[in-house]
Amino acid sequence: ETGVTQTPRHLVMGMTNKKSLKCEQHLGHNAMYWYKQSAKKPLELMFVYNFKEQTENNSVPSRFSPECPNSSHLFLHLHTLQPEDSALYLCASSFHSGLAYEQYFGPGTRLTVT
Amino acid sequence: KQEVTQIPAALSVPEGENLVLNCSFTDSAIYNLQWFRQDPGKGLTSLLLIQSSQREQTSGRLNASLDKSSGRSTLYIAASQPGDSATYLCAVRGSGGSNYKLTFGKGTLLTVNP
Repeated sequence: ETGVTQTPRHLVMGMTNKKSLKCEQHLGHNAMYWYKQSAKKPLELMFVYNFKEQTENNSVPSRFSPECPNSSHLFLHLHTLQPEDSALYLCASSFHSGLAYEQYFGPGTRLTVT
Repeated sequence: KQEVTQIPAALSVPEGENLVLNCSFTDSAIYNLQWFRQDPGKGLTSLLLIQSSQREQTSGRLNASLDKSSGRSTLYIAASQPGDSATYLCAVRGSGGSNYKLTFGKGTLLTVNP
């Protein structure tokens, strides 16, 4: 596998479920990002990890819990979500989050909350 | 707070036409500006990146211009093809302490009809 991969590609979950999104990058990068893309809204940055340390939490509700065990893997744990959380969740990576390195995006996970 | 606006929201053209997509941003203190392409249900693919000191960048049939002082960028697509159909996103990267942060527009949905 090359680039940035995300699994699953599609997820349907009820409001009481607990699920996790996974992102993996094969580019040797040190920074990873979670973005949310809702219909008719711009991409919103959710979390930033630089060298496994969280450096940004963009006022995201606690029902979204990120985890970065190493520089190659990033998870987004989901619990008690709301229907308005239905969106495309995109992962990205770059060499360093504090500098203007280009970000590379994964294909996204389409999440539907019922 | 930086805001990015893209006009038009949607555009439909016959194959072979030249077209222009517009992007404007409210804070001219940017580090660079990037144009992305997004196919339905997919992640983002970087098309062109213009540094704040540059006026334009070209890649094949694509040409992006930047007028930082007026807060505007255009993406010119020459001799459009059906394969160009996608959503085109404009994003600016700030030049302050958080210069890794990308602020996105909502995108322009382009349809090229054969």
